[in-house]
Amino acid sequence: SAVISQKPSRDICQRGTSLTIQCQVDSQVTMMFWYRQQPGQSLTLIATANQGSEATYESGFVIDKFPISRPNLTFSTLTVSNMSPEDSSIYLCSVFGLAKTGELFFGEGSRLTVL
Amino acid sequence: GQNIDQPTEMTATEGAIVQINCTYQTSGFNGLFWYQQHAGEAPTFLSYNVLDGLEEKGRFSSFLSRSKGYSYLLLKELQMKDSASYLCAARGGNKLVFGAGTILRVKS
Repeated sequence: SAVISQKPSRDICQRGTSLTIQCQVDSQVTMMFWYRQQPGQSLTLIATANQGSEATYESGFVIDKFPISRPNLTFSTLTVSNMSPEDSSIYLCSVFGLAKTGELFFGEGSRLTVL
Repeated sequence: GQNIDQPTEMTATEGAIVQINCTYQTSGFNGLFWYQQHAGEAPTFLSYNVLDGLEEKGRFSSFLSRSKGYSYLLLKELQMKDSASYLCAARGGNKLVFGAGTILRVKS
């Protein structure tokens, strides 16, 4: 299994500000994934963060709004820029495990509320 | 494209058996996963199928038919603590795409 630490665990933010979420993994991984879970909804993949290259964004998500850094094989950050109330959500960092099942492990999530 | 469908919610009685169905369409399919998510918590892995058939793991079993794009999660001897959201997720290439989740309510 993989142990994933995220911070902050929760925050209340003002409209128009930006917040950076950090994700630390206890092992080296090639890909790290950032998901969003809006209230009452399922998980939506924002982007895949690869070390040494730019992140790959899913349809509907852009780098200007969600810049991602991946400075090494155990760490990544996701910034939510120029926040609006619609960005109120749980943001989850995840990685594939090393078992042959290859399941996705999740961090505890960062719950953001934008006022 | 990718599409995953599962029922929005289900209710079952403690001690009973419940089956949660999932249909999926995904390119480059290489695995079907089920996750459990309690309110306010991150999803936790329950089961994985990549070949057709049934995988059993204690009170939980999962079935896959690749030709039909169909899976189900079977929960036996339901307990109150099984009340949660159950997420079906299909892996295509290096991405895991989640369904909207099925809220299961277990009543006594």
